[in-house]
Amino acid sequence: KNEVEQSPQNLTAQEGEFITINCSYSVGISALHWLQQHPGGGIVSLFMLSSGKKKHGRLIATINIQEKHSSLHITASHPRDSAVYICAVREGSNYKLTFGKGTLLTVNP
Amino acid sequence: DAGITQSPRHKVTETGTPVTLRCHQTENHRYMYWYRQDPGHGLRLIHYSYGVKDTDKGEVSDGYSVSRSKTEDFLLTLESATSSQTSVYFCAISGQGSTGELFFGEGSRLTVL
Repeated sequence: KNEVEQSPQNLTAQEGEFITINCSYSVGISALHWLQQHPGGGIVSLFMLSSGKKKHGRLIATINIQEKHSSLHITASHPRDSAVYICAVREGSNYKLTFGKGTLLTVNP
Repeated sequence: DAGITQSPRHKVTETGTPVTLRCHQTENHRYMYWYRQDPGHGLRLIHYSYGVKDTDKGEVSDGYSVSRSKTEDFLLTLESATSSQTSVYFCAISGQGSTGELFFGEGSRLTVL
């Protein structure tokens, strides 16, 4: 069973700050997903990674397969970035997914 | 937006009654998943499907069954609902390879009294 750990569990930042959320996993994977969930809201996929780095606007995701670690960075954070960020890993040929418990990010104006 | 819908969105039922949640997709994706989300536990996999009539258990499958008789529909059944099954249930879909991005339904809030 893949163990997926996220850190920190909670993060409070001031608007404009650079944010980093980390995800580590214990077993080799075929892909890693970063998801966003606003309070009381649905779940949106931000990135799917199998290697390297991806960037969408102010969001950057990186993955190091050898170290079994991924990071999600938010540059110039904004209060609308306040949400829970969830890491999920996909393993095996049947695409089974395991999720981290999420990181609650609060960005204050 | 990906075409994925869940029904019902809200349901209140009594202990011991059967409940079926439906997930419907219009993306023709191969993989479909049912999760429950509870405070302090995050998202936990109940069952998933990797094709029509091909399903497998997740980490919290006890008390739940699933069926997938066609590509677009994945049903989650609670044969005899219990209060511990009060939760928010999410369905997700995924394609293969470069279409492997995850898309989630809006969630179904189930309350078992």
